[in-house]
Amino acid sequence: DVKVTQSSRYLVKRTGEKVFLECVQDMDHENMFWYRQDPGLGLRLIYFSYDVKMKEKGDIPEGYSVSREKKERFSLILESASTNQTSMYLCASSIQGGRTEAFFGQGTRLTVV
Amino acid sequence: AQRVTQPEKLLSVFKGAPVELKCNYSYSGSPELFWYVQYSRQRLQLLLRHISRESIKGFTADLNKGETSFHLKKPFAQEEDSAMYYCALRPNSGGYQKVTFGTGTKLQVIP
Repeated sequence: DVKVTQSSRYLVKRTGEKVFLECVQDMDHENMFWYRQDPGLGLRLIYFSYDVKMKEKGDIPEGYSVSREKKERFSLILESASTNQTSMYLCASSIQGGRTEAFFGQGTRLTVV
Repeated sequence: AQRVTQPEKLLSVFKGAPVELKCNYSYSGSPELFWYVQYSRQRLQLLLRHISRESIKGFTADLNKGETSFHLKKPFAQEEDSAMYYCALRPNSGGYQKVTFGTGTKLQVIP
């Protein structure tokens, strides 16, 4: 059974804190993604990575950074959390090439107060 | 640039009525199209992809390249179909395959 696991289901952080969201996949996928999911806005891509130490900006990278030191792990970092980053964050992975779908984690609901 | 448009935020239908969730896309190359579904308190998961030309849970979707559409259809809605549905596009090309999602349509099936 394929698995994408996000380290936290719920997080509450204070404005200005540095926040780490962790994602691990056990499928040896090359591609990993971070999205945020907001009502009425759907899924918006923050960053994606196609290989270890490689990353590409998505549609809304401002205020975020990522780290991929190992193939199975992709971290999203909020350098200084702000209230407008309160959202549901979804991690996903997929193989590179081939015709397969993205597999999603269960999501992390982050609240910045 | 690739773009996916789902014009309806909410679609309410009665049980047994036909369902059509609209999806239009823009992409200059050859795309792969997907429908994802998120049931309440569950993770987002694939429903179907255009390449497979399959019917899943009674849903079908046909890629219309002329109209750049990939609408999701079901002849008779069931209460368990109530969920959030996202249309997604991925370039069918080599290299890095960024998946773009639409804004989603919430399907509400009324008993």
